[in-house]
Amino acid sequence: KNEVEQSPQNLTAQEGEFITINCSYSVGISALHWLQQHPGGGIVSLFMLSSGKKKHGRLIATINIQEKHSSLHITASHPRDSAVYICARETSGSRLTFGEGTQLTVNP
Amino acid sequence: GAVVSQHPSWVICKSGTSVKIECRSLDFQATTMFWYRQFPKQSLMLMATSNEGSKATYEQGVEKDKFLINHASLTLSTLTVTSAHPEDSSFYICSARDPRNYGYTFGSGTRLTVV
Repeated sequence: KNEVEQSPQNLTAQEGEFITINCSYSVGISALHWLQQHPGGGIVSLFMLSSGKKKHGRLIATINIQEKHSSLHITASHPRDSAVYICARETSGSRLTFGEGTQLTVNP
Repeated sequence: GAVVSQHPSWVICKSGTSVKIECRSLDFQATTMFWYRQFPKQSLMLMATSNEGSKATYEQGVEKDKFLINHASLTLSTLTVTSAHPEDSSFYICSARDPRNYGYTFGSGTRLTVV
C-alpha cells in the first residue's frame, strides 16, 4: 500500500466544471503538498498545508489532519488546467513522499 | 519567486558512459537540494538529498557509487550517472527549498535516454 494514495487516477471534465482530487496518507506529516506536473515534466508547487484551507485563484486546498486526508479543488475548470496533480507528504528532514498523481483533462 | 535551473533538459548517451546533470538555485541559497527520478506513468521517487559541503544522503536502494552527487556551493548541485545503462533511462528532477517561505521549487527536469 502506497503511503500516499490519490483518487481518482484519471479525471476528465468539461470546461467550467468543479473538480475535486483527493489524497489520503497513512502516517503523520509535517506538511502536505500539492504539485502540478505539466506534459513536458515541469513541476510547480501549488500549496503547502499543515492545517485548514488555502486558496489561490481558482484553486482551493483543504486538509483534515485527524482523518489524514486532503483535497484539491478547482473551480470553473479550464483546458489549461489539464495536467497531472500530485499530492506529497512531507516528513522530517524535508523528505517528500509522492502519490501517483491524478491525470486531469479538461475539455473545451 | 524562487527559481531552480536544471540542465540539460534532455540527453541521449551510449551505454557505459557518464552523464552529469546540473541544478542551480538562481535567486536563493540552497544548503539542501533533492534529486528525484520518475519512470513513465509512475510517481516521483526521492533518490538522494544533497547537502552543501558534506556527503549526500541516499535513499534505500539507490547506489551511491552509480549516482554521484556533488554540492560544492550554496547554489549548485550536480548528479552524475556513471556507467549508464538503458535501465537508467528516466526523468530526473531536482528541487530545493526556498528558505524565505519553505516552499519547494523544482527544476525543469532532465530526460535521460541511454542507448
